[in-house]
Amino acid sequence: AQRVTQPEKLLSVFKGAPVELKCNYSYSGSPELFWYVQYSRQRLQLLLRHISRESIKGFTADLNKGETSFHLKKPFAQEEDSAMYYCALSGPYSGNTPLVFGKGTRLSVIA
Amino acid sequence: DAGVIQSPRHEVTEMGQEVTLRCKPISGHNSLFWYRQTMMRGLELLIYFNNNVPIDDSGMPEDRFSAKMPNASFSTLKIQPSEPRDSAVYFCASSQTTGNTEAFFGQGTRLTVV
Repeated sequence: AQRVTQPEKLLSVFKGAPVELKCNYSYSGSPELFWYVQYSRQRLQLLLRHISRESIKGFTADLNKGETSFHLKKPFAQEEDSAMYYCALSGPYSGNTPLVFGKGTRLSVIA
Repeated sequence: DAGVIQSPRHEVTEMGQEVTLRCKPISGHNSLFWYRQTMMRGLELLIYFNNNVPIDDSGMPEDRFSAKMPNASFSTLKIQPSEPRDSAVYFCASSQTTGNTEAFFGQGTRLTVV
């Protein structure tokens, strides 16, 4: 069964501190992994995807197939990073298969 | 392109009433997804369409829920009759079917059933 687990509902960190949002998944096969972000009063938007291997807004995420994890990291949190973060997976050719989301982690960056 | 457009943004209705949520996907996108977001369950897939054809509606919670996509530029999600436990934010998303592309989300419809 496809499942995404985000163990933390809320994560509070101080500005400048490192951030790690955890994500574990279960999927039989080779999934595509994503992180979506939802800022206050805005729509859900893609933050990054594992196949791109890029850093967006200072965030990175590495797919660890052995641990079935895709944790989101940033070395120095900023106040504007406060948002709801969702980890998601889909099957290959992600355009026509739906995303399965975790329940989300609310990140609060304290000044 | 204005992105995925959903209407209305907010809907308050009385229990037992019919509710219709609307979605206009991004032009050229031929996959469309309806999600429901609640505090308890997060984002749940309700149904999705490829080329206007419903592919998987196993996430639709009950027969009170129905969805249609009469053409490539319009989809509706209907709840009849509505109940208080249907209160949630309903999101529509669209994507292209070819290649590995991202899903683009609308701003959602916040539904409150009283």
